[in-house]
Amino acid sequence: SYVLTQPPSVSVAPGQTATISCGGDKIGSKGVHWYQQEAGQAPVLVVYDDSDRPSGIPDRFSGSNSGNTATLTISRVEAEDEADYYCQVWDSDSDHWVFGGGTKVTVL
Amino acid sequence: QVQLVESGGGVAQPGGSLRLSCAASGFTLSDHTMHWVRQAPGKGLEWVAGISWDGKNQHEADSVKGRLTISRDNSKNTLYLELNSLRLEDTAIYYCARAPSGPYCFDTWGQGTMVTVSS
Repeated sequence: SYVLTQPPSVSVAPGQTATISCGGDKIGSKGVHWYQQEAGQAPVLVVYDDSDRPSGIPDRFSGSNSGNTATLTISRVEAEDEADYYCQVWDSDSDHWVFGGGTKVTVL
Repeated sequence: QVQLVESGGGVAQPGGSLRLSCAASGFTLSDHTMHWVRQAPGKGLEWVAGISWDGKNQHEADSVKGRLTISRDNSKNTLYLELNSLRLEDTAIYYCARAPSGPYCFDTWGQGTMVTVSS
């Protein structure tokens, strides 16, 4: 089955840039989606199809995808960005939806 | 306002069964593929199952294969999940989630319902 690998944690100071990686075999050929989950809350879609943002999501959130790594970038980080972030793809070989293990972003 | 509200969670014994419901409002359920995603305490997200707009196609994760029935009643705007032969590792928050037209992602989530499997 397809595996997505994320770093367990990322720490960033307010106003700086947080970068979260999501590794997978030839992930660049797949559409990657990102979710933010604040403590005790349901996930929220923040980026879909590698780099598109749903309405209402600040443009501080951006994404890219190439080769074996997809990346979520949070610019000008704010305290409210502290949350868990998950990447997700659809694996056409198994017809399964797959999540990465999640990355906890801590704002220092 | 687009909304998904899950219900039916609770405590069940190992080997038992549970049926979860997800009531949809603010949109036409039959326009969307729907999914269930779960999250064990302190763990990450795990896709569980999905069902096409008309109910004719279902997909399920290997971890629940053969123990799960996903169904829907578009006339009642409701999605269902029946999980049988419950195991301790089925303990989790179960979220229903909507798939948008096009991208293979989940654009709307419910607040979740907790299932605890314990003897």
